[in-house]
Amino acid sequence: DAKTTQPNSMESNEEEPVHLPCNHSTISGTDYIHWYRQLPSQGPEYVIHGLTSNVNNRMASLAIAEDRKSSTLILHRATLRDAAVYYCILRDIRYGNKLVFGAGTILRVKS
Amino acid sequence: DVKVTQSSRYLVKRTGEKVFLECVQDMDHENMFWYRQDPGLGLRLIYFSYDVKMKEKGDIPEGYSVSREKKERFSLILESASTNQTSMYLCASSSVGASNYGYTFGSGTRLTVV
Repeated sequence: DAKTTQPNSMESNEEEPVHLPCNHSTISGTDYIHWYRQLPSQGPEYVIHGLTSNVNNRMASLAIAEDRKSSTLILHRATLRDAAVYYCILRDIRYGNKLVFGAGTILRVKS
Repeated sequence: DVKVTQSSRYLVKRTGEKVFLECVQDMDHENMFWYRQDPGLGLRLIYFSYDVKMKEKGDIPEGYSVSREKKERFSLILESASTNQTSMYLCASSSVGASNYGYTFGSGTRLTVV
């Protein structure tokens, strides 16, 4: 499985944008970039995914570098409810749809 | 709202007991998964299933087995529970194909083996 690298933790102020980076220099052409988050005492929650183009949904935006070796999850206005562990995961559709979780980034949001 | 439901939120079992963790999804998903989550080790895949009666080992299958007799239900079985199986267990499901929107997870079962 191709690996991802994320910062251990980040801090943001409430109401400000947050940019969560992820490096995946060994990404293959069949890897989709997925982001999940896990709120305290809950199971992980799907946030967004993409292949080559930038993606937007109601939760966040995903910016993918042109060479696909990095991506950034963007929360446009952080709230206290966005405090969670954010996981960047590469998912190779060829191999049984498995998701392999890394350590993720702990996002703290200050009021 | 689509759901993955795990039968118990908290469970306490004795060493040596046979333990069943149940998971049901209402999304008609083909794939189902069992993970465990431990501090410092993150989420690790135990078993997964991509169809009824089909199963594949994940990264840490030892001490566990699974059963999938119906599409909507995926059971994790601890044949003889041990204290090192004390953990948070998370079930998930997903549909097949590149256009799917990812996994849906249950809320987890916190199992304590004493």
